[in-house]
Amino acid sequence: GESVGLHLPTLSVQEGDNSIINCAYSNSASDYFIWYKQESGKGPQFIIDIRSNMDKRQGQRVTVLLNKTVKHLSLQIAATQPGDSAVYFCAEREDGNEKLTFGTGTRLTIIP
Amino acid sequence: DAGITQSPRHKVTETGTPVTLRCHQTENHRYMYWYRQDPGHGLRLIHYSYGVKDTDKGEVSDGYSVSRSKTEDFLLTLESATSSQTSVYFCAISRGLSEQYFGPGTRLTVT
Repeated sequence: GESVGLHLPTLSVQEGDNSIINCAYSNSASDYFIWYKQESGKGPQFIIDIRSNMDKRQGQRVTVLLNKTVKHLSLQIAATQPGDSAVYFCAEREDGNEKLTFGTGTRLTIIP
Repeated sequence: DAGITQSPRHKVTETGTPVTLRCHQTENHRYMYWYRQDPGHGLRLIHYSYGVKDTDKGEVSDGYSVSRSKTEDFLLTLESATSSQTSVYFCAISRGLSEQYFGPGTRLTVT
């Protein structure tokens, strides 16, 4: 069936460096792609989303890139800080479908 | 986590007992969701609701039922808890086309 997955389960980055978290998806009908951040003991928190008719979207210190040709999504975090340490999930949704499909997550650890 | 609360936050119960988890929102959103989160599986949708008395199944609905008698409350019931239902349960509301806002979670242990 359709699925959303991640390339790497763990990622360690030096504080101040940029980090890139990758995600592969297989549902070509998806219209929205979303990134969530989950800190220990908390619920997932929305970070940023991108529609399928876009290839790049920027937020505060974050950029999401979408490559529909290879069905690849990435989250770039600039100048990482200790507070960026968390598990990051990608998710996708089809227009008209109110359900999200989540990937399994990548744990990002920031090294001081 | 203002806007959405879950109760209880922690519960330990025995196999075969009924358990009800409550999700309460103060934002009057139409869509509400129940997920479970397990290591290696990410978040999996159990049931969701698109209005009062309107609910539908997710990908892992077996062994669970839900009810929504008021806009603000969405209840998840395990009729007869099993050890495989030990998990962290999250409730969420839909705030937009792609943004779901999650509650703090309920950690359920079935012994």
